[in-house]
Amino acid sequence: DGGITQSPKYLFRKEGQNVTLSCEQNLNHDAMYWYRQDPGQGLRLIYYSQIVNDFQKGDIAEGYSVSREKKESFPLTVTSAQKNPTAFYLCASSRDRGFTGELFFGEGSRLTVL
Amino acid sequence: AQSVAQPEDQVSVAEGNPLTVKCTYSVSGNPYLFWYVQYPNRGLQFLLKYITGDNLVKGSYGFEAEFNKSQTSFHLKKPSALVSDSALYFCAVRDPQWNDMRFGAGTRLTVKP
Repeated sequence: DGGITQSPKYLFRKEGQNVTLSCEQNLNHDAMYWYRQDPGQGLRLIYYSQIVNDFQKGDIAEGYSVSREKKESFPLTVTSAQKNPTAFYLCASSRDRGFTGELFFGEGSRLTVL
Repeated sequence: AQSVAQPEDQVSVAEGNPLTVKCTYSVSGNPYLFWYVQYPNRGLQFLLKYITGDNLVKGSYGFEAEFNKSQTSFHLKKPSALVSDSALYFCAVRDPQWNDMRFGAGTRLTVKP
């Protein structure tokens, strides 16, 4: 079945460590997104990519990095510069660029900093 | 600046009763409006969207939403709630003038048996 796969589902990190969250899609979608979800705050956009080898910062990109070397993959690295990384991270994709179509979400990755 | 608001953090209804989850928006152009649902520890699932056309939009699982331009609202509705509808609901808006989509803070719906 087509969809978005995020891994790992749960991740624990010590302070000062970088971690990378994986996001893979087999929907043949051009656009991919990373959102962060905190209780009571909705979703906030970290980075998005509308085409391979191109990506743009969202509202809260500081302390994060991404790459888009393949259409299917959009990994997110949470660096040690991110001051409060404990959160639920959601990857999404859409067929349409420019935020005009519905988003298809993965199951999320919950990161906890110890 | 564009924004979206969900004025109620929580909504509770009895099973079989109609439900409404409210959403208002503020954009500078004609909005694209979306509703998503999230079950615990899961990703969001798309329910419905409004871009243009009929103000009443029908979506998945019996949900519908009414676009009201004068009140800048896009409330989610269902005629008869099910216990399984209990979840977190998010409204989202996209202003065509901006390459961005904004999500509301979410409304937790509880349907009691």
